[in-house]
Amino acid sequence: ILNVEQSPQSLHVQEGDSTNFTCSFPSSNFYALHWYRWETAKSPEALFVMTLNGDEKKKGRISATLNTKEGYSYLYIKGSQPEDSATYLCAFDSSYKLIFGSGTRLLVRP
Amino acid sequence: DTGVSQNPRHKITKRGQNVTFRCDPISEHNRLYWYRQTLGQGPEFLTYFQNEAQLEKSRLLSDRFSAERPKGSFSTLEIQRTEQGDSAMYLCASSLSRRTNEKLFFGSGTQLSVL
Repeated sequence: ILNVEQSPQSLHVQEGDSTNFTCSFPSSNFYALHWYRWETAKSPEALFVMTLNGDEKKKGRISATLNTKEGYSYLYIKGSQPEDSATYLCAFDSSYKLIFGSGTRLLVRP
Repeated sequence: DTGVSQNPRHKITKRGQNVTFRCDPISEHNRLYWYRQTLGQGPEFLTYFQNEAQLEKSRLLSDRFSAERPKGSFSTLEIQRTEQGDSAMYLCASSLSRRTNEKLFFGSGTQLSVL
C-alpha cells in the first residue's frame, strides 16, 4: 500500500511569517511528485510537478524542493499573505494515478 | 470557461436511492479521473479512463459504484443504493496525456450528502 504523509496537519501563522510543510512518500517506483493548492469552494489547482532528485521549483513566494532518494518534499511560503490560506496537498505519481496525502491546512491571520 | 465542469455541485439524497454525477473534462484531454474526498482526508482514487476505456477501478469501490465515459468525452459516476458512508466530495480531474510531469485539472466537485 502506497502511503503519502503530510505534516503538519494544520498551521496558523501571522501575515508576513514564512512557513514550510513536509510531504513524505515511497522512494521506490517514483515517477513524479505533485503539489496542489485547494482553496475553500474552489478546485484544487496544481502548483508544481517535480520529477528529478534535487529539483527546486519556484512560483512567486512559493517554492518546493524534492529528495527522491529519501522520499520527501518541502513546500515553502515566504512572507505568508491571507490569500495563501488554503489546503496544500502533495501527491505521489505512481505512473498512472496520483496518491494524495491528507493535506496541510494553512490559515494566515491578517 | 474551458475548465473541468461537474454537475451537480451539491446532492442530498436519502439512503437507498441512486445518484448520478456528471463530469465534462477539458475538451482535448484524453485522461479522466474520479476521486473521492472525505473530511480531513486527501482525495482518494476511485477510477480512471483513457479515452472511453476504463483502465482501473479501485478495490475500495463496491459493486454499487459504476462509471462510464461514452465516446471518450464526458463521464458519469453512478452510485446505487446509497449508504451514509458514501457521503463525500466527488472530484473529477482530467489531463492531456500520460507523461510523468502531467498535472491534473480538477473540477469543483460534487458534494454528496446521504441522509
